[in-house]
Amino acid sequence: GENVEQHPSTLSVQEGDSAVIKCTYSDSASNYFPWYKQELGKRPQLIIDIRSNVGEKKDQRIAVTLNKTAKHFSLHITETQPEDSAVYFCAASIGTGGFKTIFGAGTRLFVKA
Amino acid sequence: GAVVSQHPSWVICKSGTSVKIECRSLDFQATTMFWYRQFPKQSLMLMATSNEGSKATYEQGVEKDKFLINHASLTLSTLTVTSAHPEDSSFYICSAGEGTANQPQHFGDGTRLSIL
Repeated sequence: GENVEQHPSTLSVQEGDSAVIKCTYSDSASNYFPWYKQELGKRPQLIIDIRSNVGEKKDQRIAVTLNKTAKHFSLHITETQPEDSAVYFCAASIGTGGFKTIFGAGTRLFVKA
Repeated sequence: GAVVSQHPSWVICKSGTSVKIECRSLDFQATTMFWYRQFPKQSLMLMATSNEGSKATYEQGVEKDKFLINHASLTLSTLTVTSAHPEDSSFYICSAGEGTANQPQHFGDGTRLSIL
């Protein structure tokens, strides 16, 4: 089955700096890669996603890149703000058989003011 | 946007009690819903895929007799933790997609279950 690895587990940056979180997946059939932000005790919120026919996607300060050959995908947050502090999860989804989503272990991002 | 409602948000009960958690898609139909378990400071672990009108598909290591899933309609899935024990204490969260592949999952608010 699919396995998603995520690094780093903890990331601390200064306000205004960039943050990068990297993930790898094992199943080449995965074709949808969402990123979620989860604040303490709350539901995961989708922040950006990318499909396997696209290499890069950007939404304001957030961008995601996908390298299908290497089975890598990354989240880039620029000009970080204290309110970006949260846990971020990458995920991989296979679009067949019920399109279940497997999550990475999460990255706890701290943005210091 | 798509909304998933999950109830109750918090349950505290005695060991041996069975607890039912409901997950509803409010403004869309969900043929498939997913149940996750999340321990403190850990990731979301997929427990099972809930299929409308058929049996749930459980992930390896998840006891189907302990975690009963029913998906009776296109907008409702329930998870029943049977004869709960303290080790079942966790954050349980459901999600649903809007029916097609390559679409984001929408999550409920989660249920914090504490077994005394």
